[in-house]
Amino acid sequence: SQTIHQWPATLVQPVGSPLSLECTVEGTSNPNLYWYRQAAGRGLQLLFYSVGIGQISSEVPQNLSASRPQDRQFILSSKKLLLSDSGFYLCAWSTGTGDGYTFGSGTRLTVV
Amino acid sequence: GQNIDQPTEMTATEGAIVQINCTYQTSGFNGLFWYQQHAGEAPTFLSYNVLDGLEEKGRFSSFLSRSKGYSYLLLKELQMKDSASYLCAVKGNTPLVFGKGTRLSVIA
Repeated sequence: SQTIHQWPATLVQPVGSPLSLECTVEGTSNPNLYWYRQAAGRGLQLLFYSVGIGQISSEVPQNLSASRPQDRQFILSSKKLLLSDSGFYLCAWSTGTGDGYTFGSGTRLTVV
Repeated sequence: GQNIDQPTEMTATEGAIVQINCTYQTSGFNGLFWYQQHAGEAPTFLSYNVLDGLEEKGRFSSFLSRSKGYSYLLLKELQMKDSASYLCAVKGNTPLVFGKGTRLSVIA
């Protein structure tokens, strides 16, 4: 069966520090991968998605970036965090054939 | 662009039936999804509609009218554990776009 792993679960980082969140999927090949962010009291906002290794589409211009170095690995990064980067970050995958997305357990990031 | 509207909050009584509405505007249409999200947790998949009509799955049903850009999620025999946010999401020509969610409180 397919599983998605996301870590860490919680993170407290100072303003201006770097960020690296990792997501891996097991049990499937060539998944579509997504990064969403959910700020307090707001809906899920799509940040990046990828349909293959090295292919990244950005939905919202900001100081975040994403990379897909391997088929089942998706990384969200920042060189310098802002207070506004605080939120609940969710990785998700799909087969891309019209089915729903399966989410990882999420990372709650607080920038202080 | 895409726009999804759903009520912010709803309250219902244990054992009752509640209907959560969702209206959407989208470029292209490849399906409408409902997710449940408990506080502090990730969303989990509830239902999927791509054709008009009602899809039933146990205590949960979801309805879609593509011509009206309208869907609803029906929850029957409400239980306290159904207290959660319910997210409507639409897949058009882009990845899933989510509404802001409806926070449902089930009271005794």
